[in-house]
Amino acid sequence: DTEVTQTPKHLVMGMTNKKSLKCEQHMGHRAMYWYKQKAKKPPELMFVYSYEKLSINESVPSRFSPECPNSSLLNLHLHALQPEDSALYLCASSPTSRTSGANEQFFGPGTRLTVL
Amino acid sequence: AQKITQTQPGMFVQEKEAVTLDCTYDTSDQSYGLFWYKQPSSGEMIFLIYQGSYDEQNATEGRYSLNFQKARKSANLVISASQLGDSAMYFCAMRPSGTYKYIFGTGTRLKVLA
Repeated sequence: DTEVTQTPKHLVMGMTNKKSLKCEQHMGHRAMYWYKQKAKKPPELMFVYSYEKLSINESVPSRFSPECPNSSLLNLHLHALQPEDSALYLCASSPTSRTSGANEQFFGPGTRLTVL
Repeated sequence: AQKITQTQPGMFVQEKEAVTLDCTYDTSDQSYGLFWYKQPSSGEMIFLIYQGSYDEQNATEGRYSLNFQKARKSANLVISASQLGDSAMYFCAMRPSGTYKYIFGTGTRLKVLA
């Protein structure tokens, strides 16, 4: 199974709502990532978990809260978002072998988020 | 500073012809990996090809090949026999060894013409 799944595919939320994005993989990868992507721009790294521990936080506002309950699941909890947070949110996973740079990321289909 | 540069915002190619998408990178690291991803309009990023900095042979995967010129710090993607389904955004990325941080270029939008 070489698939990363993300739910929901689309999400519309108000600025006072609380919602969560979910990502799942069963490839045994121990690194998982959240990216934010605006239209016609490259993905921007938000968070990286390795072995279920947060290893990179790219100075993301606290209204985004990541969680890695186990090695297959990654959540992104959303609270009090702003309209400028509307974007495609991509989850990815990769192996964590020690060989040099050989760990390609596998991406999910993304969640298109609209904040009203 | 580590950086990926893709100088072609958009490219057109005729169906069945070959096309080269440019990518240059800047790093002082000796060990790193270079990747190309395809992103169709549906949004999913699809891994295409990988080249390690110590690999002496250029990587190939089916119709995709990577023209790796280490001294020039370039890692161009060559797509042979273009198909209509190749129309998408293409991103070049670099991952320094020992990190989980992938650095993406700004992308090239490829349109294949029938």
